[in-house]
Amino acid sequence: GIQVEQSPPDLILQEGANSTLRCNFSDSVNNLQWFHQNPWGQLINLFYIPSGTKQNGRLSATTVATERYSLLYISSSQTTDSGVYFCAVLFGNEKLTFGTGTRLTIIP
Amino acid sequence: EAEVAQSPRYKITEKSQAVAFWCDPISGHATLYWYRQILGQGPELLVQFQDESVVDDSQLPKDRFSAERLKGVDSTLKIQPAELGDSAMYLCASSLLVSGANVLTFGAGSRLTVL
Repeated sequence: GIQVEQSPPDLILQEGANSTLRCNFSDSVNNLQWFHQNPWGQLINLFYIPSGTKQNGRLSATTVATERYSLLYISSSQTTDSGVYFCAVLFGNEKLTFGTGTRLTIIP
Repeated sequence: EAEVAQSPRYKITEKSQAVAFWCDPISGHATLYWYRQILGQGPELLVQFQDESVVDDSQLPKDRFSAERLKGVDSTLKIQPAELGDSAMYLCASSLLVSGANVLTFGAGSRLTVL
């Protein structure tokens, strides 16, 4: 099946800093989503981004499908950004496969 | 904003007991998913429904797990008997087709602890 790797596994930053999270995948995909899992466990949909660039406030994402990676940018981090960030990809008719996540901790 | 509803949020049970989780997807979402997330890992698909039909249950431990979506709307996931290794977060999601791809929205999850 398709392999999804995220880096870094852990990231600790001071409030106000910027961060870049990376998702590498092993095959061409027709669906890629970024999620934020909050401390209570809920997965919040951030972006549906199989290719190109999108922005939503302080967050933006870029997927370069031909090179099989996606990046999530967080600018001016806030403590509420803490949690685990997952990318999830889907290839063809296979099931959505999640990466191992990046745990982000924002220190006040 | 429309949400995926799940209940209960938390469940503590003893091994060998039965447990059930309920999910009500966003209205109009034909596809419904149950995922299991073990602490420290990403979610893994247990079962996927398209309306009332099972599309994928290849990772569902069918000796103890069952899932149904009888009227193609809400769904129930049951575990009987529960085992210690079933302790996890059980996540329900529903999806809408966007440009031909399923874009998932998740509920708040049901956290199961088996003692």
